[in-house]
Amino acid sequence: DTAVSQTPKYLVTQMGNDKSIKCEQNLGHDTMYWYKQDSKKFLKIMFSYNNKELIINETVPNRFSPKSPDKAHLNLHINSLELGDSAVYFCASSPRGTVYNEQFFGPGTRLTVL
Amino acid sequence: GENVEQHPSTLSVQEGDSAVIKCTYSDSASNYFPWYKQELGKRPQLIIDIRSNVGEKKDQRIAVTLNKTAKHFSLHITETQPEDSAVYFCAGGDTNAGGTSYGKLTFGQGTILTVHP
Repeated sequence: DTAVSQTPKYLVTQMGNDKSIKCEQNLGHDTMYWYKQDSKKFLKIMFSYNNKELIINETVPNRFSPKSPDKAHLNLHINSLELGDSAVYFCASSPRGTVYNEQFFGPGTRLTVL
Repeated sequence: GENVEQHPSTLSVQEGDSAVIKCTYSDSASNYFPWYKQELGKRPQLIIDIRSNVGEKKDQRIAVTLNKTAKHFSLHITETQPEDSAVYFCAGGDTNAGGTSYGKLTFGQGTILTVHP
């Protein structure tokens, strides 16, 4: 299936731990994104990469570090997890970085920090 | 930066009625306005979009209108059906946001639409 996939789907962990979320797209898109959706459903962009180059870096704690080994993958590593990091994290991709293109979202990773 | 306000936060209608969701944006440079639908537990998906050189766009039961002067745009759903129940997000995008020439989307807070059979 052509799609944007994320692993894991659910992640439950203790405060202070370090965790990673992986994202892969096989749509041949150049641009990938990470969004955070909080408990009130607010969807906010965190990072965007175009062909492995960081192009959007919002005001996010530096405990969050994205990495794009190639244009089909964008991972998110989170250090020293805090309660406020609990949210659903969505990866997305689009054909090119221009805003006019549809963004295709992954299924989301629900992170719960205890 | 861009700020997108969306109203109402919740909307409840009877099947067959129309539903209207409104958004305002702050940055006059924004030139692209998509709408995404997110069903419960699912991923957001694009349902319709409009560019700033167009005042209205329609696709079957859904339509979007844009008033650039007033900086607001709206989603109209006619003949609503229970499967229209979802969270709807408007967004504003500027191709030059952040000086990247790529642009980014700023989403509204979302509207929970419930269509009662």
